[in-house]
Amino acid sequence: AQSVTQLDSHVSVSEGTPVLLRCNYSSSYSPSLFWYVQHPNKGLQLLLKYTSAATLVKGINGFEAEFKKSETSFHLTKPSAHMSDAAEYFCVVSGSGSARQLTFGSGTQLTVLP
Amino acid sequence: EPEVTQTPSHQVTQMGQEVILRCVPISNHLYFYWYRQILGQKVEFLVSFYNNEISEKSEIFDDQFSVERPDGSNFTLKIRSTKLEDSAMYFCASRGAGTGNEKLFFGSGTQLSVL
Repeated sequence: AQSVTQLDSHVSVSEGTPVLLRCNYSSSYSPSLFWYVQHPNKGLQLLLKYTSAATLVKGINGFEAEFKKSETSFHLTKPSAHMSDAAEYFCVVSGSGSARQLTFGSGTQLTVLP
Repeated sequence: EPEVTQTPSHQVTQMGQEVILRCVPISNHLYFYWYRQILGQKVEFLVSFYNNEISEKSEIFDDQFSVERPDGSNFTLKIRSTKLEDSAMYFCASRGAGTGNEKLFFGSGTQLSVL
């Protein structure tokens, strides 16, 4: 079984300041982990993924995430927030087996203030 | 980048009616999925489909739901007799096979409203 916990339902930052969105996971095997972003009235877009290669993963739009097995965490960061980053962010873990269905966290709504 | 296409973007139906949500996955993909997101709740897995059969399904995916790949390009989700609680955003997704193809490509969703 697997699960994902996003520790903050809402995060608010000022434009130009760092972003930290927290995620902890639980998995009985070596997981694949993802961050997806959902802008209003849009579908889910993959930001980045971890699949047991480098523990620091770089994604699109300046985002990155670090896989820390000892802390079972996969926090998403960005050095400097932009207004266009305002969206809902989902931490996701991939299931085992050939179908590899995804388990989503509850989401973090990021607000970027001018 | 290739896209997964979903139609319609919005569907309004009366309780008890049948609805079919349509998806065109990326052409060389082999695994297909439906997820849904009830307003204010988590995105939930419904079903996965591979080699013309269901490979996994959640407890949500009861006898009212069915999936089909009728013609090798479309992937449909049918809800036989809709209930109010079926109102949600439904996302279709697809991916290729093998290691390195863990990324799911999602469509932009169909907002289903059951009245």
